[in-house]
Amino acid sequence: EKVLTQSPATLSVSPGEGATLSCRASESIASNLAWYQQKPGQAPRLLIYGPSTRATGVPGRFSGSGSGTEFTLTISSLQSEDFAVYYCQQYNDLPTFGQGTRVEIK
Amino acid sequence: QVQLQESGPGLVRPSETLTLTCTVSGGSISSHYWTWIRQPAGKGLEWIGHIYSSDSTNYNPSLKSRLSMSLDTSKNQFSLTLTYATAADTAVYYCARILYGYHDPFDVWGQGTLVTVSS
Repeated sequence: EKVLTQSPATLSVSPGEGATLSCRASESIASNLAWYQQKPGQAPRLLIYGPSTRATGVPGRFSGSGSGTEFTLTISSLQSEDFAVYYCQQYNDLPTFGQGTRVEIK
Repeated sequence: QVQLQESGPGLVRPSETLTLTCTVSGGSISSHYWTWIRQPAGKGLEWIGHIYSSDSTNYNPSLKSRLSMSLDTSKNQFSLTLTYATAADTAVYYCARILYGYHDPFDVWGQGTLVTVSS
């Protein structure tokens, strides 16, 4: 099983500031990584995959990068609706998820 | 626009069988892979399994011995059956569509349904 480790666990950011979230895989997953956003009481929403392709309707302030074992999700200027939990997921093998990064208002 | 809706009992007794159904609307179930994911309260996401056709499935190894998935093209539904339920199976269960093929992310999700395993 490929383990994904996300850091930090919690990120405190002021609205308008940028945020960088990391996801590390226990072994190479090539480019088979996705990022999801989850708000309280809602299903996860696909944001980024491949690992830099934005899903339909995702704003341009979200971007993804990386390959192999190191991946990053960047939010360029946080809006109020961006405060949520973010999960990375690998689909190179049987899917696994990271434990999540909570982005909270500073 | 494809939409997914989970349905099933909200309460299951320990040692009994948990069965959930996902109804797909706005598109054909025959054209994609489909998947189940669950999330215990306050915790992260756990992939349960994929199904493409009745004989094309992949299951999480940790659940494989208790899990089966099926697909009903006539009703545009797919289902999950988990035997010998325990409290550890208490979670919100989501069904989702896989974007293109087997090695792809999950692009459309149902709203989720809470299943509690308790006597």
